[in-house]
Amino acid sequence: KNEVEQSPQNLTAQEGEFITINCSYSVGISALHWLQQHPGGGIVSLFMLSSGKKKHGRLIATINIQEKHSSLHITASHPRDSAVYICAVFPGGGADGLTFGKGTHLIIQP
Amino acid sequence: NAGVTQTPKFRVLKTGQSMTLLCAQDMNHEYMYWYRQDPGMGLRLIHYSVGEGTTAKGEVPDGYNVSRLKKQNFLLGLESAAPSQTSVYFCASSYHRDRGYEQYFGPGTRLTVT
Repeated sequence: KNEVEQSPQNLTAQEGEFITINCSYSVGISALHWLQQHPGGGIVSLFMLSSGKKKHGRLIATINIQEKHSSLHITASHPRDSAVYICAVFPGGGADGLTFGKGTHLIIQP
Repeated sequence: NAGVTQTPKFRVLKTGQSMTLLCAQDMNHEYMYWYRQDPGMGLRLIHYSVGEGTTAKGEVPDGYNVSRLKKQNFLLGLESAAPSQTSVYFCASSYHRDRGYEQYFGPGTRLTVT
């Protein structure tokens, strides 16, 4: 079973700061997802990665397959970025469903 | 498109009662999933379906049953609810399991079993 570890568990920063959230997993995967869960509870998919780097607005996600590690960066952070960010891996190879990290609770203060 | 919808949004059950959670998607997705989310545990897969008429067990299937009679609907049943099943339940759907295609989540159902 793949173990997914996120760090930090909690992060409080000031508006405008550069944010990095890390995710490590123990077994090879076919894809990694970054998800965002707002205080209201809804979950939205931010990125799906199998290699390299993706960028969407102020969000950047990278993955290093050899090191089994991914990072999510937020540039010019804003209070509306406050949410729980969840890393999840998809094993592939016939297995189904995602294995999730426990999430990083991010608070951006004005 | 409504995306993925879940019914009901909230429910309180007494121990031993039964209920069915309904998930519906209008994106013609083949794959559908039921997850539960508990504090400090992260999301965990309960059951999933790779197509109409098929279901399979996930990580935490005990105490739950599922059915996928129509492609757009995925039902999660609790035959005899227990306090340990107090949780937030999320349904998700995706086009294809291979390569981990993007999953679309419903808004969640908050279930309390007393």
